[in-house]
Formats: sequence, structure tokens, C-alpha cells
Amino acid sequence: EPEVTQTPSHQVTQMGQEVILRCVPISNHLYFYWYRQILGQKVEFLVSFYNNEISEKSEIFDDQFSVERPDGSNFTLKIRSTKLEDSAMYFCASSDTQGLNQPQHFGDGTRLSIL
Amino acid sequence: DAKTTQPNSMESNEEEPVHLPCNHSTISGTDYIHWYRQLPSQGPEYVIHGLTSNVNNRMASLAIAEDRKSSTLILHRATLRDAAVYYCILRDVGGGSNYKLTFGKGTLLTVNP
Repeated sequence: EPEVTQTPSHQVTQMGQEVILRCVPISNHLYFYWYRQILGQKVEFLVSFYNNEISEKSEIFDDQFSVERPDGSNFTLKIRSTKLEDSAMYFCASSDTQGLNQPQHFGDGTRLSIL
Repeated sequence: DAKTTQPNSMESNEEEPVHLPCNHSTISGTDYIHWYRQLPSQGPEYVIHGLTSNVNNRMASLAIAEDRKSSTLILHRATLRDAAVYYCILRDVGGGSNYKLTFGKGTLLTVNP
């Protein structure tokens, strides 16, 4: 069964550094998402992306964050200047249509640790 | 987004059925009921969804109350692999966000061998 893959599985970065989290969505999917989960807390929506532009973003997704689909297969989340509070699991997801009958398929996440 | 209420935790024995409840008393007519689960150290996984009628798939069944103010996810024979946090999520067709999933705290299901 096709799956969403995320790399790396664990990223350790110094505070203030830039980090790029990478995702390969399911190949025929058109809608892409990033979520995060701080340890012990809820899964939180960050951003959705369709047709090379952001469809929706949450309050968490401020100017430090950006997303990109640099080629036909990858979808990336960049954090420009990381803060301690950015430490979390980051999950990428994709779905084949926006329709509310369509499930979102999640990767297993990247654990981001900011030192 | 309409709010859902789930028990914090539930326990079950292996190979027994499990009924996971969800209350959504403020549900609107255009809200779909979705269930996801999150196994330890994994991303969320879609389980099932429905609007008004009961639904079955290979993973589970979804029973929706006639007034739609509550629903129950049914795992027919729990296995150890079903131990996870189960999330009941409402998705609004009618005008709310069409993109994001809004996760609550969910129900932590423990399956005893």
C-alpha cells in the first residue's frame, strides 16, 4: 500500500539554525499538509498546500515557516530560525482530493529537537 | 469547529469487541464524523468516516445515533496492535475549514493480552 515517507526520522538542530523537513507524499495525491505534535500534547494543524500555493494555515504557521514543493515528488517544511518551542514531532500528510470523504494519509513523522 | 467529547481512556481484552464512544451534541447537518487513530511512535491513521448511516470497513464499524449527537467506533475483535489513541473528528462541508483535521485529546485504548 502506498505511504507517505518523511526524512529524517530525527533531526537535532541548534537554536537559531534553519531546518528543512522533507516529505514524499503518495504519488497521485494533490493536497498536502503539515501538522505538529509537541510531546504529550494534541496533534496541531500547521498548513495545507494545493496547486503550488498555501490553501490554509494556522496561527502557528508564522513568517518563520514556509512550505515548498520543489519537484514532482517532494514537499518540504522549512523553519528559518528555530526556537526551543519548535521541538516537536512534525507529520506530513496527503490526500487525493479536498473532498471531505477523502482521508488524509500521514507519515510517521520527523522528531525535531532544538538545543 | 463543532466539538467532540471522548473518554480519556478505555481498556479492553484481546479478541473482545471494543466500543469507543464520541459525543458531538453540537454537530451540524453538514458535519462528517471521522475517526483516526495514532499508534505509539507513529503518525495518525485514518480508520473510518460517516455522515448519517452506519458504516463498515475492514478496520472497524461506525455506528451513528439517529440524532447524530453521538457515534461509536466498534472494533469487532481487539488485537494488541489496536492499542492506540483514537480520535473522533468532525469535518464541516458547509462552510468551515475544508482542509484541516482538528484533533482533540482522543481516547487512549489499552488492550490486555
